[in-house]
Amino acid sequence: EVQLVESGGGLVQPGGSLRLSCAASGFTISSNWMHWVRQAPGKGLVWVSRIKIDVSDTSYADSVKGRFTISRDNAKNTLYLQMNSLRAEDTAVYYCARENWQVWSWGQGTLVTVSS
Amino acid sequence: DIVLTQSPGTLSLSPGERATLSCRASQSVSSAYFTWYQQKPGQAPRLLIYGSSTRATGIPDRFSGSGSGTDFTLTINRLEPEDFAVYYCQQYDASSITFGQGTRLEIK
Repeated sequence: EVQLVESGGGLVQPGGSLRLSCAASGFTISSNWMHWVRQAPGKGLVWVSRIKIDVSDTSYADSVKGRFTISRDNAKNTLYLQMNSLRAEDTAVYYCARENWQVWSWGQGTLVTVSS
Repeated sequence: DIVLTQSPGTLSLSPGERATLSCRASQSVSSAYFTWYQQKPGQAPRLLIYGSSTRATGIPDRFSGSGSGTDFTLTINRLEPEDFAVYYCQQYDASSITFGQGTRLEIK
Protein backbone atom coordinates (compact mmCIF):
# COMPACT_ATOMS: atom_id res chain seq x y z
CA GLU A 1 0.00 0.00 0.00
CA VAL A 2 1.30 3.42 -0.97
CA GLN A 3 1.71 5.70 2.03
CA LEU A 4 3.12 9.20 2.38
CA VAL A 5 3.67 10.74 5.81
CA GLU A 6 4.70 14.38 6.10
CA SER A 7 6.39 15.88 9.13
CA GLY A 8 8.42 18.91 10.14
CA GLY A 9 5.76 21.57 10.15
CA GLY A 10 5.33 24.06 12.94
CA LEU A 11 5.47 27.70 13.93
CA VAL A 12 8.37 29.73 12.56
CA GLN A 13 9.11 33.45 12.55
CA PRO A 14 9.24 35.44 9.32
CA GLY A 15 12.67 35.08 7.75
CA GLY A 16 13.18 31.71 9.40
CA SER A 17 13.75 28.26 7.95
CA LEU A 18 12.06 24.89 8.16
CA ARG A 19 12.63 21.51 6.57
CA LEU A 20 9.67 19.32 5.74
CA SER A 21 10.00 15.58 5.32
CA CYS A 22 7.78 13.08 3.54
CA ALA A 23 8.44 9.45 4.37
CA ALA A 24 7.23 7.11 1.64
CA SER A 25 6.35 3.44 1.85
CA GLY A 26 4.93 0.93 -0.57
CA PHE A 27 6.97 2.30 -3.47
CA THR A 28 10.38 3.77 -4.31
CA ILE A 29 10.45 7.56 -4.55
CA SER A 30 13.49 7.55 -6.85
CA SER A 31 11.36 5.84 -9.51
CA ASN A 32 8.63 8.47 -9.45
CA TRP A 33 8.09 12.16 -9.94
CA MET A 34 7.34 13.68 -6.54
CA HIS A 35 5.67 16.97 -5.67
CA TRP A 36 4.93 19.40 -2.90
CA VAL A 37 1.56 21.15 -2.98
CA ARG A 38 0.32 23.64 -0.40
CA GLN A 39 -3.00 24.98 0.76
CA ALA A 40 -3.32 28.21 2.70
CA PRO A 41 -6.06 28.27 5.34
CA GLY A 42 -9.45 28.38 3.64
CA LYS A 43 -7.88 28.56 0.20
CA GLY A 44 -7.29 26.25 -2.76
CA LEU A 45 -4.48 23.93 -3.77
CA VAL A 46 -1.28 25.42 -5.14
CA TRP A 47 1.59 23.46 -6.64
CA VAL A 48 4.96 24.30 -5.06
CA SER A 49 7.71 22.07 -6.41
CA ARG A 50 8.53 18.90 -8.33
CA ILE A 51 11.48 16.54 -8.54
CA LYS A 52 11.75 14.10 -11.39
CA ILE A 53 13.52 10.74 -11.54
CA ASP A 54 16.69 12.58 -12.52
CA VAL A 55 17.37 14.24 -9.17
CA SER A 56 18.91 17.26 -10.89
CA ASP A 57 15.62 17.96 -12.67
CA THR A 58 13.62 20.09 -10.29
CA SER A 59 11.12 22.90 -10.74
CA TYR A 60 9.44 25.48 -8.53
CA ALA A 61 6.53 27.85 -8.46
CA ASP A 62 7.64 31.43 -8.99
CA SER A 63 6.46 32.34 -5.49
CA VAL A 64 9.05 30.05 -3.86
CA LYS A 65 11.86 30.01 -6.41
CA GLY A 66 15.20 30.82 -4.82
CA ARG A 67 13.86 30.21 -1.30
CA PHE A 68 12.70 26.57 -1.33
CA THR A 69 14.68 23.48 -2.33
CA ILE A 70 13.25 20.05 -3.03
CA SER A 71 15.42 16.98 -2.55
CA ARG A 72 15.24 13.32 -1.65
CA ASP A 73 17.19 10.66 0.22
CA ASN A 74 16.87 7.41 -1.69
CA ALA A 75 18.27 5.32 1.15
CA LYS A 76 15.60 6.67 3.51
CA ASN A 77 12.94 6.76 0.78
CA THR A 78 12.14 10.27 1.96
CA LEU A 79 11.33 13.50 0.15
CA TYR A 80 12.28 16.89 1.60
CA LEU A 81 11.40 20.52 1.20
CA GLN A 82 13.90 22.99 2.62
CA MET A 83 12.16 26.31 3.13
CA ASN A 84 14.22 29.43 3.77
CA SER A 85 13.36 33.12 4.12
CA LEU A 86 9.84 32.20 5.10
CA ARG A 87 7.07 34.76 4.77
CA ALA A 88 3.62 35.06 6.26
CA GLU A 89 2.13 34.09 2.91
CA ASP A 90 3.91 30.73 3.10
CA THR A 91 1.54 29.74 5.90
CA ALA A 92 -0.26 26.62 4.67
CA VAL A 93 -0.71 22.92 4.93
CA TYR A 94 1.99 21.32 2.84
CA TYR A 95 1.23 18.03 1.10
CA CYS A 96 3.66 15.73 -0.61
CA ALA A 97 2.34 13.78 -3.56
CA ARG A 98 3.49 10.96 -5.80
CA GLU A 99 2.84 11.20 -9.53
CA ASN A 100 2.60 7.70 -10.93
CA TRP A 101 1.66 8.04 -14.58
CA GLN A 102 -1.88 9.46 -14.30
CA VAL A 103 -2.48 8.70 -10.63
CA TRP A 104 -1.45 11.04 -7.84
CA SER A 105 -1.26 9.81 -4.26
CA TRP A 106 -1.20 12.31 -1.38
CA GLY A 107 -0.02 12.44 2.19
CA GLN A 108 -2.12 13.87 5.01
CA GLY A 109 -0.19 17.15 5.10
CA THR A 110 1.79 19.13 7.66
CA LEU A 111 0.93 22.64 8.79
CA VAL A 112 3.46 25.45 8.52
CA THR A 113 2.64 28.71 10.27
CA VAL A 114 4.84 31.74 9.67
CA SER A 115 4.17 34.36 12.30
CA SER A 116 5.94 36.51 14.84
CA ASP B 1 0.77 28.99 -16.91
CA ILE B 2 -2.53 27.39 -17.78
CA VAL B 3 -5.38 28.83 -15.72
CA LEU B 4 -8.23 26.54 -14.71
CA THR B 5 -11.54 28.24 -13.92
CA GLN B 6 -14.17 26.22 -12.12
CA SER B 7 -17.87 27.01 -12.10
CA PRO B 8 -19.99 27.50 -10.23
CA GLY B 9 -18.12 28.63 -7.16
CA THR B 10 -20.80 27.14 -4.94
CA LEU B 11 -23.48 24.63 -5.87
CA SER B 12 -26.45 24.06 -3.57
CA LEU B 13 -28.29 20.79 -4.15
CA SER B 14 -30.26 18.19 -2.25
CA PRO B 15 -29.36 14.53 -1.74
CA GLY B 16 -30.58 12.47 -4.67
CA GLU B 17 -30.07 15.27 -7.20
CA ARG B 18 -27.43 15.44 -9.93
CA ALA B 19 -24.45 17.77 -9.69
CA THR B 20 -22.65 19.12 -12.74
CA LEU B 21 -19.31 20.83 -12.11
CA SER B 22 -17.37 22.59 -14.83
CA CYS B 23 -13.67 23.31 -15.31
CA ARG B 24 -12.46 25.47 -18.18
CA ALA B 25 -8.80 25.80 -19.17
CA SER B 26 -7.21 28.96 -20.57
CA GLN B 27 -5.65 26.83 -23.30
CA SER B 28 -5.97 23.29 -24.50
CA VAL B 29 -4.74 20.63 -22.07
CA SER B 30 -4.12 16.94 -22.49
CA SER B 31 -7.03 14.80 -21.37
CA ALA B 32 -4.52 12.20 -20.19
CA TYR B 33 -3.30 14.60 -17.51
CA PHE B 34 -6.57 16.03 -16.28
CA THR B 35 -7.79 15.09 -12.82
CA TRP B 36 -10.64 15.73 -10.38
CA TYR B 37 -10.32 15.65 -6.58
CA GLN B 38 -12.71 15.78 -3.68
CA GLN B 39 -11.65 17.43 -0.44
CA LYS B 40 -13.40 17.48 2.90
CA PRO B 41 -12.42 19.74 5.82
CA GLY B 42 -9.20 18.70 7.51
CA GLN B 43 -8.49 16.01 4.93
CA ALA B 44 -6.11 15.63 2.04
CA PRO B 45 -7.49 15.73 -1.50
CA ARG B 46 -8.99 12.44 -2.60
CA LEU B 47 -8.45 11.35 -6.19
CA LEU B 48 -11.77 10.85 -7.97
CA ILE B 49 -11.11 10.92 -11.71
CA TYR B 50 -7.88 10.76 -13.69
CA GLY B 51 -7.24 10.86 -17.41
CA SER B 52 -10.34 13.06 -17.64
CA SER B 53 -12.79 10.14 -17.37
CA THR B 54 -11.31 7.17 -15.48
CA ARG B 55 -12.58 6.60 -11.97
CA ALA B 56 -9.91 6.00 -9.36
CA THR B 57 -9.93 2.82 -7.31
CA GLY B 58 -12.89 2.63 -4.96
CA ILE B 59 -14.78 5.60 -6.44
CA PRO B 60 -18.51 4.89 -6.87
CA ASP B 61 -19.91 4.85 -10.38
CA ARG B 62 -22.19 7.79 -9.62
CA PHE B 63 -19.07 9.91 -10.26
CA SER B 64 -18.16 10.47 -13.91
CA GLY B 65 -15.82 12.75 -15.79
CA SER B 66 -15.86 13.95 -19.37
CA GLY B 67 -14.40 16.57 -21.64
CA SER B 68 -11.40 17.45 -23.73
CA GLY B 69 -9.40 20.41 -24.94
CA THR B 70 -10.46 23.31 -22.73
CA ASP B 71 -13.76 22.13 -21.25
CA PHE B 72 -14.14 19.39 -18.67
CA THR B 73 -17.07 18.26 -16.54
CA LEU B 74 -17.51 16.25 -13.37
CA THR B 75 -20.97 14.79 -12.93
CA ILE B 76 -22.24 13.28 -9.70
CA ASN B 77 -25.49 11.38 -10.02
CA ARG B 78 -27.86 10.70 -7.10
CA LEU B 79 -25.99 12.80 -4.55
CA GLU B 80 -25.25 11.09 -1.26
CA PRO B 81 -24.73 13.02 2.01
CA GLU B 82 -21.01 12.19 1.94
CA ASP B 83 -20.60 13.86 -1.48
CA PHE B 84 -20.97 17.37 -0.10
CA ALA B 85 -17.43 18.73 -0.18
CA VAL B 86 -15.11 20.91 -2.25
CA TYR B 87 -14.05 19.67 -5.68
CA TYR B 88 -10.90 20.68 -7.53
CA CYS B 89 -9.77 20.10 -11.09
CA GLN B 90 -6.09 19.79 -11.97
CA GLN B 91 -4.02 19.70 -15.11
CA TYR B 92 -0.38 18.76 -15.32
CA ASP B 93 2.28 18.17 -17.89
CA ALA B 94 6.05 18.34 -18.06
CA SER B 95 6.10 22.10 -17.68
CA SER B 96 2.99 23.18 -15.81
CA ILE B 97 0.84 22.03 -12.92
CA THR B 98 -2.23 24.01 -11.96
CA PHE B 99 -5.45 23.58 -9.99
CA GLY B 100 -8.81 25.20 -10.32
CA GLN B 101 -10.01 27.38 -7.46
CA GLY B 102 -12.58 24.79 -6.39
CA THR B 103 -16.34 24.30 -6.39
CA ARG B 104 -18.07 23.96 -3.04
CA LEU B 105 -20.96 21.51 -3.18
CA GLU B 106 -23.28 22.23 -0.28
CA ILE B 107 -26.52 20.76 0.95
CA LYS B 108 -29.55 22.82 0.02
